[in-house]
Amino acid sequence: DAKTTQPNSMESNEEEPVHLPCNHSTISGTDYIHWYRQLPSQGPEYVIHGLTSNVNNRMASLAIAEDRKSSTLILHRATLRDAAVYYCILRDVVYGSGNTGKLIFGQGTTLQVKP
Amino acid sequence: DTAVSQTPKYLVTQMGNDKSIKCEQNLGHDTMYWYKQDSKKFLKIMFSYNNKELIINETVPNRFSPKSPDKAHLNLHINSLELGDSAVYFCASSQVKGRRGHGELFFGEGSRLTVL
Repeated sequence: DAKTTQPNSMESNEEEPVHLPCNHSTISGTDYIHWYRQLPSQGPEYVIHGLTSNVNNRMASLAIAEDRKSSTLILHRATLRDAAVYYCILRDVVYGSGNTGKLIFGQGTTLQVKP
Repeated sequence: DTAVSQTPKYLVTQMGNDKSIKCEQNLGHDTMYWYKQDSKKFLKIMFSYNNKELIINETVPNRFSPKSPDKAHLNLHINSLELGDSAVYFCASSQVKGRRGHGELFFGEGSRLTVL
C-alpha cells in the first residue's frame, strides 16, 4: 500500500480557511485519495475522496496536484467542531483478489481550532 | 437508527479473562472490519470479513477470534486478556464488491477495553 506523509499537527482560527497538506509521491495510477477524520472520542468518518480532479462536497474540498503526488484538504471555514485528527489515505480503485477495500491509517494531522 | 453499532461501549476486566465485543451494521454492506486503536491513537486493522468469509487477518494473536454469523454481524472474542489488549476497538463496514473507488467505511463509536 502506498504511503502518505502529513504534518503531525496544525492550528487554525475559527471561521478561517484551513489547508491540510498530504504528500503521496509513490501513488499509483489506480489509487484514490481518501480523507477521513476522527473527532474526539468517536470513530473515524469519511470526509471526501478523489482521483485526479478537484472535488467539493458539503464538508470540504479536495485539491489534487496535477502529478497526483500531493493533495490538500480544504475546510473553507473552520469551526470548533472541526477539531479532529485528519487522515489522508490511498486506496486502490480495483477491488478483487488481494484488494480487500481496507483502509490503512497513518498518524494523521491533529487540527486544533482556536476560538 | 445507528448505522454501525457496537456493544459494550466500555469494558473493564481482569487479566486472564475472556470477553466479547459485538458489532452490527444495518447498511446492507458486504464487508466488515475490526480496527484497534492503542494509547498512542494509532489505528490498525485487525480483521475483515466479506460475506461471512475471513479475508484479512493482520498477524493478530490467536487469542483474538472474530466470528461473523451473517454479513450484518461481526463479533470479536478475546481469550486470556493481557494488559496490552487495553485499547479502543472499532468496528466498521463498507460495500466492497460491485463498487469502484469508493465504498467508504462507516465506523462504530468504539468499544473501550481496559484490562487491569
